[in-house]
Amino acid sequence: EDQVTQSPEALRLQEGESSSLNCSYTVSGLRGLFWYRQDPGKGPEFLFTLYSAGEEKEKERLKATLTKKESFLHITAPKPEDSATYLCAVKISQGGSEKLVFGKGTKLTVNP
Amino acid sequence: NAGVTQTPKFQVLKTGQSMTLQCAQDMNHEYMSWYRQDPGMGLRLIHYSVGAGITDQGEVPNGYNVSRSTTEDFPLRLLSAAPSQTSVYFCASKVNPLDVFGGFFGQGTRLTVV
Repeated sequence: EDQVTQSPEALRLQEGESSSLNCSYTVSGLRGLFWYRQDPGKGPEFLFTLYSAGEEKEKERLKATLTKKESFLHITAPKPEDSATYLCAVKISQGGSEKLVFGKGTKLTVNP
Repeated sequence: NAGVTQTPKFQVLKTGQSMTLQCAQDMNHEYMSWYRQDPGMGLRLIHYSVGAGITDQGEVPNGYNVSRSTTEDFPLRLLSAAPSQTSVYFCASKVNPLDVFGGFFGQGTRLTVV
């Protein structure tokens, strides 16, 4: 069964305290891995796509990396506005089509 | 650009009632999809469409119908609502399934079935 596991479920950081979120997956036919940010009461907002092990993407204080079995979202010197739930999804090939399988998310709180 | 627009934002239904959740996008995207998001679970795919006239089932399609008569619109129909369908529903669109971009999501419809 295709599975995506995110850890930790929740993370509290002080402003400026760097950390990493983890997304591990066991899927067949991986076609890509996506990171999203979701604010309360809003839809997910796309951040990054990663396709192959060793690939890295950066955007402001966020950097996403990918290995063969997991991805990390590194947050450097976070600010309170980085508080959100971060979702990871893997794109799989299934029955001739491609679909996303989402993890449950990591709720990040950054205190000033 | 309005992006992906979902209506209504909130809805309360009685068990057995029917309703349609609306989703419209103005980006001329071929690929549209519906997800539900429940507490403690990841987003789950209900139905998707790769273009006008073409729809297919996702992971949790039971109790839901869709149609795609135009590129812009992708409504989700609940024929006989059940309490298990209480959830937040998100519509998403992207150019096509192979697009490297992760897609645009609407703001969601929070549905409660009593």
